[in-house]
Amino acid sequence: KNEVEQSPQNLTAQEGEFITINCSYSVGISALHWLQQHPGGGIVSLFMLSSGKKKHGRLIATINIQEKHSSLHITASHPRDSAVYICAPDDKIIFGKGTRLHILP
Amino acid sequence: KAGVTQTPRYLIKTRGQQVTLSCSPISGHRSVSWYQQTPGQGLQFLFEYFSETQRNKGNFPGRFSGRQFSNSRSEMNVSTLELGDSALYLCASSPGQGVNYGYTFGSGTRLTVV
Repeated sequence: KNEVEQSPQNLTAQEGEFITINCSYSVGISALHWLQQHPGGGIVSLFMLSSGKKKHGRLIATINIQEKHSSLHITASHPRDSAVYICAPDDKIIFGKGTRLHILP
Repeated sequence: KAGVTQTPRYLIKTRGQQVTLSCSPISGHRSVSWYQQTPGQGLQFLFEYFSETQRNKGNFPGRFSGRQFSNSRSEMNVSTLELGDSALYLCASSPGQGVNYGYTFGSGTRLTVV
């Protein structure tokens, strides 16, 4: 069974700060998803990556398959980035507990 | 293009009753997965359907069941509701089965059992 650990669990930062959220897992995978959930429940898939790095606007996701580790970075953070970020290694079955991010204006 | 539609959005049921939730995937998507989300446990996988067949099942009791129709729409049913079944139930659709397909979530059904 793939054990998933996300850190930090909670993060409060000032607007404009660089944010890093980490995800480690125990069993080798071929792809990993990063999800974003805003208050109210809706979940959006941000990235699916199997190697290297992907960038979408101010969001950057990296993965090291050998080290079983992925990171999600947010540059120039904004209050609208406040949400729960969830990593999902493996086949949409296992999820991290999420990182609750709060960006202060 | 319409997204994933879940109905109803909110539901209040009494302990012991049963409930049926519906999920209409994005047109052309053939895989539908169901999840339960609670504050304490986070997102937990219930089951996945592809081409009307259950392909994977999570660690939930038999009171939780589902099915998929020929048009890819899916329903999940929970019988003999317990207070602990109160949760947000999400479905997600995907074009195909497997880890390399992206998936799109619906807005969820919030079930409260009293």
